[in-house]
Amino acid sequence: QSALTQPRSVSGSPGQSVTISCTGTSNDVGGYKYVSWYQQHPGKAPKLIIYDVNERPSGVPNHFSASKSGNTASLTISGLQPEDEADYYCCSYATNFFYVFGTGTKVTVL
Amino acid sequence: QVYLVESGGGVVPPGRSLRLSCAASGFTFSSYAMHWVRQTPGKGLEWVAGISYDGRNENYADSVKGRFSISRDKSKDTLSLQMNSLRTEDTAVYYCARAPTGTRFDYWGQGTLLTVSS
Repeated sequence: QSALTQPRSVSGSPGQSVTISCTGTSNDVGGYKYVSWYQQHPGKAPKLIIYDVNERPSGVPNHFSASKSGNTASLTISGLQPEDEADYYCCSYATNFFYVFGTGTKVTVL
Repeated sequence: QVYLVESGGGVVPPGRSLRLSCAASGFTFSSYAMHWVRQTPGKGLEWVAGISYDGRNENYADSVKGRFSISRDKSKDTLSLQMNSLRTEDTAVYYCARAPTGTRFDYWGQGTLLTVSS
């Protein structure tokens, strides 16, 4: 049950796009269409922003999008906004009813 | 509106036990699987345990298996986590989270802090 690998940090100017990768194995990311992404602002609980690889819950802005290829999932934030500055975590269902989170990525809006 | 409110955190010495609770409201509790996820201060998220909507199936991370026990009380709409033989590495904020299917955690509580220290 090793954590999924994410870059420690990414940054971009307002209006730019940033992409966060999330690398796992065939036992988690690569084996299931069950990758989700969470946004966490300081001192707050995580918030679901993407599920089932690329589905957005109602109310989540459409400048968040995601995809998966093989053992790597990706989250793209298009048109970066100041309020997008937060920590982002991926999560995948894994074999035998486990769940594994990513190491987390800090997004900085320059 | 869905609400999940955790309680029971505190400071305990290594080797002791503690029970966390999560009060649910605003949805049909008995229809959803529920989970505990923890976050070490300044670090990332770790899935801890999950229980099926009917309480028949439980699963645990290897790091807590045999020490922690998850349960639910449908009469009180409450999720619990019994934690035994606590270790310093169990220090974290513990969140309860709702899982509408096996694929995501769609609502989270505000978390309760457990500190294991002598």
